Amino acid sequence: GIQVEQSPPDLILQEGANSTLRCNFSDSVNNLQWFHQNPWGQLINLFYIPSGTKQNGRLSATTVATERYSLLYISSSQTTDSGVYFCAVWETGGFKTIFGAGTRLFVKA
Amino acid sequence: GAVVSQHPSRVICKSGTSVKIECRSLDFQATTMFWYRQFPKQSLMLMATSNEGSKATYEQGVEKDKFLINHASLTLSTLTVTSAHPEDSSFYICSAKSGGATDTQYFGPGTRLTVL
Repeated sequence: GIQVEQSPPDLILQEGANSTLRCNFSDSVNNLQWFHQNPWGQLINLFYIPSGTKQNGRLSATTVATERYSLLYISSSQTTDSGVYFCAVWETGGFKTIFGAGTRLFVKA
Repeated sequence: GAVVSQHPSRVICKSGTSVKIECRSLDFQATTMFWYRQFPKQSLMLMATSNEGSKATYEQGVEKDKFLINHASLTLSTLTVTSAHPEDSSFYICSAKSGGATDTQYFGPGTRLTVL
């Protein structure tokens, strides 16, 4: 089955810093989503981005499907950005979403 | 965006009892619902996939007799943990999609189960 790898596994930032999170996947996908899991466990949809670039406020994402990776950019980080960021893909011809292991982000005040 | 609710958000039960968790899609019809389990500091592990009116498809290693899933309507799925034991304690998350592979998947807020 498809493999999804996220890097880095852990990240500590000073408030105001920028960061890039990466998601590599081993096969073609129909669907790729980025989620933020807050400290209470709620998964929040950030982007649905099987290809191309999208922006939403301080967050943006780019997926290069032909090269099988996606990037999530966080600019001017805030303490409320802390949590775990997951990349999840739906493999072409597959029947389920596969999650990466996540990037655990802590933003210091 | 679409909203998925879960109830209860937290439950504590005695070993040997059964617990039912409800998952509802509030503003869309969910043709497919998914149940995940998450252990502390780990990723989400898919337990089963259910389509409305059909039997659930369980992932390898998940006991279907222990984790009963019913997708009775396009807006409701339930997970029943039967004869729960302390090792079943975990964070259970449901998810729903309205369409096929290219549709967005929405997640409920999760249910934290503690079995004493």
